[in-house]
Amino acid sequence: KNEVEQSPQNLTAQEGEFITINCSYSVGISALHWLQQHPGGGIVSLFMLSSGKKKHGRLIATINIQEKHSSLHITASHPRDSAVYICAVRDGATNKLIFGTGTLLAVQP
Amino acid sequence: DAGVIQSPRHEVTEMGQEVTLRCKPISGHNSLFWYRQTMMRGLELLIYFNNNVPIDDSGMPEDRFSAKMPNASFSTLKIQPSEPRDSAVYFCASRRGVNTEAFFGQGTRLTVV
Repeated sequence: KNEVEQSPQNLTAQEGEFITINCSYSVGISALHWLQQHPGGGIVSLFMLSSGKKKHGRLIATINIQEKHSSLHITASHPRDSAVYICAVRDGATNKLIFGTGTLLAVQP
Repeated sequence: DAGVIQSPRHEVTEMGQEVTLRCKPISGHNSLFWYRQTMMRGLELLIYFNNNVPIDDSGMPEDRFSAKMPNASFSTLKIQPSEPRDSAVYFCASRRGVNTEAFFGQGTRLTVV
């Protein structure tokens, strides 16, 4: 079993839909990251959080430390949101980043 | 700042050849990471440096891989000799401090034929 599990693996949505991507992990963490990788390959850090909730534009990230679960929400989705979204946790014991396998999101116009 | 700069962007080489990937971190960042991304294994940490010193290289696949950081503004990842299974996208990332966000370079797509 992977230490970081993401769901769904693939997601197709219509423009304007509200999107949720989930991340569950099994290790104790010091931080959780949400990354976005565009079709061109570049990786951008969206959020780093260790508790609660963060919002940036149409993106919202939440984390529940007790349940070892995080969600990334996209409101009013747009085709330019199409990308792979990767959840990564920083293992609190080893300080290493452990990556999920990513969620491929396609937003259709 | 131009961000994390990696070169080359693409590299195609024959197996057995030496490959050197280069990374220039963001100025002022004191931690640097090398990652490898493949379809099968996703993103994996290979090695990370803090203040130019290798802290954890347990992710380096084998002795064919080596990484150096001679100064705060430059790092290399070398594969010698390269093998087809080394084909992947190699990312470099840097950050300032400990619990801060890392910034990624655009990656080097390596193909070993």
